[in-house]
Amino acid sequence: GDSVTQMEGPVTLSEEAFLTINCTYTATGYPSLFWYVQYPGEGLQLLLKATKADDKGSNKGFEATYRKETTSFHLEKGSVQVSDSAVYFCALKTGANNLFFGTGTRLTVIP
Amino acid sequence: GAVVSQHPSRVICKSGTSVKIECRSLDFQATTMFWYRQFPKQSLMLMATSNEGSKATYEQGVEKDKFLINHASLTLSTLTVTSAHPEDSSFYICSASPHSPSAGRGTDTQYFGPGTRLTVL
Repeated sequence: GDSVTQMEGPVTLSEEAFLTINCTYTATGYPSLFWYVQYPGEGLQLLLKATKADDKGSNKGFEATYRKETTSFHLEKGSVQVSDSAVYFCALKTGANNLFFGTGTRLTVIP
Repeated sequence: GAVVSQHPSRVICKSGTSVKIECRSLDFQATTMFWYRQFPKQSLMLMATSNEGSKATYEQGVEKDKFLINHASLTLSTLTVTSAHPEDSSFYICSASPHSPSAGRGTDTQYFGPGTRLTVL
């Protein structure tokens, strides 16, 4: 079945460090891929998405490229800020309108 | 825009009682709403999909008689946990998909509520 495997956290980085959170997926067909972010006390928010192979989603300095050959959608940011501290979820969607989520990765950025 | 609220944010109840959780789309109409359950340090697991005016579709392993879902309007869905037991304690999250793609949002976009923490004693 469809599933998402996400890098376990927690991840702690200093401000301005480079961030990578790994995500790989298993899916039948051609899924759309997403990164959601959950800030403390808030609901999940869509951070970025990609709908086909080689697409790059980007938002707020974060990027992820849909790699079909490695079935991956790793999240990257060149220079993290304290305000990026949150839980990040990788997710996929196939034909149906429901999302399959990874377990989430908690990121803490320290000044 | 695209705000989804949940009420209550936290609830503690005694075993055997029923608890109702509301999910509202505040500034858009939602044809479809989703209910998820999240266990500590685990992923969100889809419980059911509800479409306004029709019966909810439950995922395998989810008891429909225990988790009653009503989606009576385009802005409100409710999840009722009937005869709650301690093993039902969890974090319940709803999401909503906008009614019309012409609103600028595709139907594959889900807007999430902040979640409801249920503790059954």
